[in-house]
Amino acid sequence: KQEVTQIPAALSVPEGENLVLNCSFTDSAIYNLQWFRQDPGKGLTSLLLIQSSQREQTSGRLNASLDKSSGRSTLYIAASQPGDSATYLCAVNAGGTSYGKLTFGQGTILTVHP
Amino acid sequence: DAGVTQSPTHLIKTRGQHVTLRCSPISGHKSVSWYQQVLGQGPQFIFQYYEKEERGRGNFPDRFSARQFPNYSSELNVNALLLGDSALYLCASGSFSSVIQYFGAGTRLSVL
Repeated sequence: KQEVTQIPAALSVPEGENLVLNCSFTDSAIYNLQWFRQDPGKGLTSLLLIQSSQREQTSGRLNASLDKSSGRSTLYIAASQPGDSATYLCAVNAGGTSYGKLTFGQGTILTVHP
Repeated sequence: DAGVTQSPTHLIKTRGQHVTLRCSPISGHKSVSWYQQVLGQGPQFIFQYYEKEERGRGNFPDRFSARQFPNYSSELNVNALLLGDSALYLCASGSFSSVIQYFGAGTRLSVL
């Protein structure tokens, strides 16, 4: 059974800091890994998706890496801003007949203060 | 193009009642998945439907059921509601060519 863990559970940083969110998963047989952002009481916004054959993906100030063999992914946020405050979730997709079934971590609650 | 749409946005029910939640996927997407997110936790997989057939089911009781219609929209039904069913219910759509799962804004269900 796939299990996904995110560390830290919460993070509070001053504006402008670079930060790293961690995600680990127990079964390395994944199809892809997706990072999401969730604002309070809202749905999920996809930030980055990394295919199992890729090592990293970048979008603006965000960079996500994937080390499938060790079961780890990191989300790097450069020059953090108060608008980045949200819960960040990682999810793995097993693919195949389980395509569409995402297994999520508990999330990291990020607060960026001015 | 419209994203994934869910209705209603909020719902209040009492224990023992039945509820139906609705989801319309992005145009062209044939896969719909349902998730339950209890406050403070990550979403938990409930069902996946593809081409109107159930393709996956999470660890939820038989009180939870779903179906997908010919236009690929979907309904999630929950019978005999319990207080513990209070959660944000999320719908996601996708296709094998896009790989990315797109989520709706969710339906907030409160069971009193």
